[in-house]
Amino acid sequence: SQKIEQNSEALNIQEGKTATLTCNYTNYSPAYLQWYRQDPGRGPVFLLLIRENEKEKRKERLKVTFDTTLKQSLFHITASQPADSATYLCALERRDDKIIFGKGTRLHILP
Amino acid sequence: EPEVTQTPSHQVTQMGQEVILHCVPISNHLYFYWYRQILGQKVEFLVSFYNNEISEKSEIFDDQFSVERPDGSNFTLKIRSTKLEDSAMYFCASSTSDGANQPQHFGDGTRLSIL
Repeated sequence: SQKIEQNSEALNIQEGKTATLTCNYTNYSPAYLQWYRQDPGRGPVFLLLIRENEKEKRKERLKVTFDTTLKQSLFHITASQPADSATYLCALERRDDKIIFGKGTRLHILP
Repeated sequence: EPEVTQTPSHQVTQMGQEVILHCVPISNHLYFYWYRQILGQKVEFLVSFYNNEISEKSEIFDDQFSVERPDGSNFTLKIRSTKLEDSAMYFCASSTSDGANQPQHFGDGTRLSIL
């Protein structure tokens, strides 16, 4: 069955630095990969979608890469701010075209 | 921006009782979903719904669960006889089309506590 692993449960980054979060997957090559943000007590909020034929996608300070050879997506936040502190979820396409979520990485931006 | 709204925000229920969770999806969306997130765990798919019927359900969505779209706007999740392990956040989501090439829009969830 497909598995998603997000690199760590928690990540502490100094304000102003670039935060990089990792999503690795096994057993299937999805055509689409999504990233969501989840704040405590809130539902996930869609951030970016990247297709398998796109190596990179950007939106303001966010950048997502998708390496189908390594079976990995990297999610970058440049010039990080304390307001970027949240849990970030990777979600990828299952074989049946539905999506499954990773457990998420809690990001703390330290002022 | 249109939102998915869920009520109540917190539901406390005695074990064995029935509970109904309510959702109002975004009005022009056609696909509706329920997810569950146990505290500290990942978001887990329960069921998807399209054209007034279930299009897919997970192994979590057993006979104790049901979904309904009783009118043109509400989408409900019913748990018939709640168990302690049903305690979790339940999220409703909607999208314009099915499939992983479309984002899903989530509500802020209902926290279900089974005593």
